[in-house]
Amino acid sequence: DADVTQTPRNRITKTGKRIMLECSQTKGHDRMYWYRQDPGLGLRLIYYSFDVKDINKGEISDGYSVSRQAQAKFSLSLESAIPNQTALYFCATSDKAGTYNQPQHFGDGTRLSIL
Amino acid sequence: AQSVAQPEDQVNVAEGNPLTVKCTYSVSGNPYLFWYVQYPNRGLQFLLKYITGDNLVKGSYGFEAEFNKSQTSFHLKKPSALVSDSALYFCAVRALNNAGNNRKLIWGLGTSLAVNP
Repeated sequence: DADVTQTPRNRITKTGKRIMLECSQTKGHDRMYWYRQDPGLGLRLIYYSFDVKDINKGEISDGYSVSRQAQAKFSLSLESAIPNQTALYFCATSDKAGTYNQPQHFGDGTRLSIL
Repeated sequence: AQSVAQPEDQVNVAEGNPLTVKCTYSVSGNPYLFWYVQYPNRGLQFLLKYITGDNLVKGSYGFEAEFNKSQTSFHLKKPSALVSDSALYFCAVRALNNAGNNRKLIWGLGTSLAVNP
């Protein structure tokens, strides 16, 4: 079973709709992240959470919100989707221990298309 | 500004030949360097990291990387490429200042590796 699970894997929706992407992990990590990947732009950080009560904006948080429901769950919402939010979205986790030298562990992504 | 660069968008090698995927960085303080691989329709997978110590780091799937402080580089290498190594490769760097304050992880834009049979 995957350690970091993202649902749904694919989603097509219309402009203006509210969308929630979900992420759950069984790795026991405190830290969780949401990224989007666009061709030619690499990975860009949307939000990150170092524990349940700690939520931080990344470099491109406008138009997005998050909720950390539990240590294992971190969801990303698009309140009113727009076409330029069409992208591949990744959730990742990392261990708190050692902080700076810990790698991140990624889910397999959600491919989101907004028409 | 702190940055990481992967100067080649695409690298093509023949199966069995050595491969190199390049990464250079510009950060203040000591860098923590990482390589990840992304196979089609999958998330990124951690390959290896350099924190301190030996400049040659060995990682998963037979990959290794050489840290060169004077050239500010961290190139990924493999002695003999496999067709199954074809994927997208990302370099990332986290820089710490002398106070050890947290710094964000800075990602390269990725290099597409194609290994031809």
